[in-house]
Parts: sequence; structure tokens; C-alpha cells
Amino acid sequence: GQSLEQPSEVTAVEGAIVQINCTYQTSGFYGLSWYQQHDGGAPTFLSYNALDGLEETGRFSSFLSRSDSYGYLLLQELQMKDSASYFCAVLTDSWGKFQFGAGTQVVVTP
Amino acid sequence: GAGVSQSPSNKVTEKGKDVELRCDPISGHTALYWYRQRLGQGLEFLIYFQGNSAPDKSGLPSDRFSAERTGESVSTLTIQRTQQEDSAVYLCASRRTGTGAYEQYFGPGTRLTVT
Repeated sequence: GQSLEQPSEVTAVEGAIVQINCTYQTSGFYGLSWYQQHDGGAPTFLSYNALDGLEETGRFSSFLSRSDSYGYLLLQELQMKDSASYFCAVLTDSWGKFQFGAGTQVVVTP
Repeated sequence: GAGVSQSPSNKVTEKGKDVELRCDPISGHTALYWYRQRLGQGLEFLIYFQGNSAPDKSGLPSDRFSAERTGESVSTLTIQRTQQEDSAVYLCASRRTGTGAYEQYFGPGTRLTVT
């Protein structure tokens, strides 16, 4: 079967750094995306990694290791507004089908 | 320009009734997805349209679920004989295709409650 594993919840204080891991086991792999979803809101795109390595976009970075079937999202200088759910999603075929993980709830405390 | 829109935003229906959910993608986006999200859970893939190709229906949970898309425009998701377990938020997303086009743009969702 296909699976994406990520922690269910992470709690951290403002200003801290949080790493959300995602391990995947899918029939196909073309890339790994990350999305942010605030309560009651729509998911919004954060990043996409097709190749191994680290991609940095402002306070957020995303990493991929295809040999380990593993990636992570790094949130730096945490702010209260970063409290949200974060989903990893694997592009499983060349046509464009994505499979999403169950999500990680990030709780930022003062 | 306008984002992805969905209607209705909320729908309450009685068990056994049919419902139709609508999605208007971003103009020019050839790919369109439907997902289901139960409370506190992840996004469950339902169906994917890519241009004029046959859709990938592999995520539809039963034959009570169907979806259509006219060309590269509006899509409708129909649930027949609704059951209480169909209660969820139904999210639509569109995506342009081509090199580097990996971002899905999500609509606000339709919250379906089956009583």
C-alpha cells in the first residue's frame, strides 16, 4: 500500500525552530510538496522538492532525501501565525496525482 | 485574478438525498482535483481531471460518488443517496500544467453535513 507518515502534533515556543518529518512509501515518486492549512481555511502551497537537498524560502525550508524516502519542513523563527496544520504530499505519477499525509498540527505558544 | 471558487460553502442534507457540489477553477488551469477532508484529518484524494483526458477516478470511495468536468472549466461532484459518513469538507484544487507547475490552488471548500 501507499503511506505517508508525519507526526500528529508538535508544540514549540515563539522564536524556536521546528522540524516536521515526512517518510513516504508510494508506488511512484516524482516530488514532495508541503502545504499549510489554518483552521477553517484552505491549504496553501509552501514548497516542492523534486531533487535531493535543501530548498530555502524565507523562514521555511524543505529538504528531500529520495534514497531514504524522507523529507522535512523546517520552520524557523516561529511566530504565532505559524500555528496551523502542515501536510506533506507526494507526486506519485507523471500525470499529476498527489497523495497527502495526515498532517502535523503545529502549536506555537508565547 | 480570481482564485478557485466552490459552491455552496455549506450544505446540510438529509440522509438518502443527492447533493451536487460545484468548483470553478482558475482560468487556464488544465488540472483539477477533488479531495475530501474529514474533521481533523488529512486530504483524501477523490478524483483528478487533466485536460481532455479520461479522469483518474481511483479515489472515489463508492459508486455513489461521481464527478464531471466540462473541458477545462467548471467541475461538479455528485454524491447520491448521502450517508452520514459522507459528512466532511470537500476541497477542490486546480493546477496549471507544464514545467515547474506543481502548486495546487485550493478553493475554500464545501462543508457537507448529512443528518
